[in-house]
Amino acid sequence: NAGVMQNPRHLVRRRGQEARLRCSPMKGHSHVYWYRQLPEEGLKFMVYLQKENIIDESGMPKERFSAEFPKEGPSILRIQQVVRGDSAAYFCASPRYEQYFGPGTRLTVT
Amino acid sequence: RKEVEQDPGPFNVPEGATVAFNCTYSNSASQSFFWYRQDCRKEPKLLMSVYSSGNEDGRFTAQLNRASQYISLLIRDSKLSDSATYLCVVNINRPGRRALTFGSGTRLQVQP
Repeated sequence: NAGVMQNPRHLVRRRGQEARLRCSPMKGHSHVYWYRQLPEEGLKFMVYLQKENIIDESGMPKERFSAEFPKEGPSILRIQQVVRGDSAAYFCASPRYEQYFGPGTRLTVT
Repeated sequence: RKEVEQDPGPFNVPEGATVAFNCTYSNSASQSFFWYRQDCRKEPKLLMSVYSSGNEDGRFTAQLNRASQYISLLIRDSKLSDSATYLCVVNINRPGRRALTFGSGTRLQVQP
């Protein structure tokens, strides 16, 4: 996974709970992309962040989803009040041209 | 219409066969092109970039036809370990946006 780290690898949440997914980019890189892959579908871009800055969130659902990349620590994708349709694999990637992906977080909403 | 279209397959081929995948993209502003490989329940991994002149990496050959907005991947002498989903990926030029656009993938199953 070329140094991109994500945790947890698996996350189970009940409907209505919150999910927090974390991503640390490759060492020395300050850009992170988040993608979502629904079952049997391709990856879809969600959001692009630099440290302390959201560059492009055009792929984020309008409600319940947010992302941040603080000055210190990993990037966090936050999903509030999860629903079954949020069950998917969430991948983050860095750097900017040829993107390398982390191992993903598989979110299951029961 | 999807921005990147691929035949989902599956392609079932015997070991040693040659197999080709095609991909079309709709946005002529696309600038960069890649093939990624994704194994079941794993992250996508970069297989190769695709250049206008065509490029080869061992048993893998990628070609790009900008006029037809078409990308191909050829795998020669297929191995069992080539079984995976192959994702056609483009970088579409949009202001402030550098994310990749993925096709839904083509499944390859190499059989002994």
